[in-house]
Formats: sequence, C-alpha cells, structure tokens
Amino acid sequence: AQSVAQPEDQVNVAEGNPLTVKCTYSVSGNPYLFWYVQYPNRGLQFLLKYITGDNLVKGSYGFEAEFNKSQTSFHLKKPSALVSDSALYFCAVRDIKSGNTGKLIFGQGTTLQVKP
Amino acid sequence: DTAVSQTPKYLVTQMGNDKSIKCEQNLGHDTMYWYKQDSKKFLKIMFSYNNKELIINETVPNRFSPKSPDKAHLNLHINSLELGDSAVYFCASSRQGNPNQPQHFGDGTRLSIL
Repeated sequence: AQSVAQPEDQVNVAEGNPLTVKCTYSVSGNPYLFWYVQYPNRGLQFLLKYITGDNLVKGSYGFEAEFNKSQTSFHLKKPSALVSDSALYFCAVRDIKSGNTGKLIFGQGTTLQVKP
Repeated sequence: DTAVSQTPKYLVTQMGNDKSIKCEQNLGHDTMYWYKQDSKKFLKIMFSYNNKELIINETVPNRFSPKSPDKAHLNLHINSLELGDSAVYFCASSRQGNPNQPQHFGDGTRLSIL
C-alpha cells in the first residue's frame, strides 16, 4: 500500500535558523510527491512538487525539498525560517493505483513553530 | 477574488439533521474534490468529480451524497448527521488532464454536531 509518513508532530526552530520538516514515503513505482501548507483557519496551499528530474525542487515562499530515492525521503527545507512560516505542513503522495484521478494520500501533518 | 469558495464557513446543528455544504470554483478547473479533516488534523479524501462525473468514492457512509450540477460546483449533502461527522470539510479543485497538477483548496466548512 502506498503511504507517506511525517515522523515529527511538531518542529520548533528559532527565526533565522534553517528548518527541516521530514517526510518519508512508500510507493510501488515512481513517486509523485507534494508539500502543502495550512495556516490557521485556512485551506491547504500548494508549496512544491517532485515529479521527475532534479532532486532539489524549489517552491513558494523560499521553500525547497530534496528528493532522496535511496532513503525514500522528501524533506522540506528552508535556509532561514520566518515567524510567518509557523503553520501546519503536509506531505502527500499521489495514489498511482487510482489512475489519473489525482487522488492524494496525505501524511499526518507537522506543526512548524518558529520563535522570534 | 476567491478561487475556491465554500459556504457556510461554520455550521452548527443538531444530531439527526440534514445539511448541505456548497462549493464553487472560478479557476476553470474540471476536477473537484471533498476532503474531511478530523480533530487531529488528519486529512482524507471523500469524493472527486471530473466534469460532473464521480471518479473517486472512498469508503464514506451513504449518508454523504455529493452532487455536481456543473463542473464549477460540487456540493455535499449529509443526511442524519451524527456526532462523528464533526470535522472540517474542505473542497478543492484541479486542472483536468494532468493528475500531478496542484490542488487548490477552499478555506473549509467547520461542522459541529450538538
């Protein structure tokens, strides 16, 4: 079965420091991976995706993610965290078994807390 | 301009009632989705429509019935509401043809069952 895991419920980082939010996946075949962010009382917003090509993917708001096939990971990173980055982050994998429906399987989410 | 809009934003009602949530997108997308986010923030897809045709129907009680009058609208009707239905329901949309296109989410409908 395809799945995605976010091993940390919460990540705390000081403003200006680099941040990493971890994600590991389990799929049969090529993975199609996504990161979304959810601010309080808002819907999810797309940050970036990996489909194929360069393992380092750049996205919105200065975020990037590194696809690592050998470690089956797709960690989200940012060189310098901002207080405004504090939010709930979701990693997701496209469910290939559902064909071209676009169905996503989400991780359990990681709360990022950036302190001033 | 709001891309994916849901109404109402908050819905508080009694157990056993029937209620509807409406969703509209002005992005010209062909595919729309309903998700449920529980109290632990876990997010799970419920339904998806592509050009008014149902393409995803997860294991959801048949008290939940989606309806898509046109490709810009996807409504969710819930019969005989139960306490466990309390959650945030999100509508989303994406472009047809490429399943790797990002999904655009509404801001959610917070359903509370008394």
